[in-house]
Amino acid sequence: DAKTTQPNSMESNEEEPVHLPCNHSTISGTDYIHWYRQLPSQGPEYVIHGLTSNVNNRMASLAIAEDRKSSTLILHRATLRDAAVYYCILRDSGGSNYKLTFGKGTLLTVNP
Amino acid sequence: EAGVAQSPRYKIIEKRQSVAFWCNPISGHATLYWYQQILGQGPKLLIQFQNNGVVDDSQLPKDRFSAERLKGVDSTLKIQPAKLEDSAVYLCASSLAPQGPGYTFGSGTRLTVV
Repeated sequence: DAKTTQPNSMESNEEEPVHLPCNHSTISGTDYIHWYRQLPSQGPEYVIHGLTSNVNNRMASLAIAEDRKSSTLILHRATLRDAAVYYCILRDSGGSNYKLTFGKGTLLTVNP
Repeated sequence: EAGVAQSPRYKIIEKRQSVAFWCNPISGHATLYWYQQILGQGPKLLIQFQNNGVVDDSQLPKDRFSAERLKGVDSTLKIQPAKLEDSAVYLCASSLAPQGPGYTFGSGTRLTVV
């Protein structure tokens, strides 16, 4: 599985935007970029995914670099409930089982 | 829609004892996954089912772990005998199909082996 690199931790203030970076320099053409987050004492939660174009949904936006070697998850206005571990995962759409392989993720702290 | 149900929520056992975890996926979800999450790490896939067949169990310690998904709906994961290093949260997830797009996870079972 292709690997991703994320900062161990980041800090933000409430109601400010948050940009969570992810590097994936060995991404292949069939890899989708997925983001999940895990709130304390809960299982991971799907946030967003994309292939080449930027994506928006009600939770967040995903900005993908033109060469696809990096991406950024954008939370437009952080709230205290956004404090979680955020995982950036590459998922091969050309494989046979499409499994998700998690790294350590980025621990996001949101200050009031 | 109802989420992925897991039970028990917590379990404490002594080493060498056996334990079983239960998972009921979202109705209609053909693909079911069991993950192990050790404190401070990301979840690690143990086994993946497609309906009642195993797709991937390459990281399942088969000398002590077993899992089944009879009738392609709910699933059980068993550890026998447990070791101290099995202390972790065991997460179940499901998806409509292997290609997703997204998995839905349960809240997990926190196992402590003493």
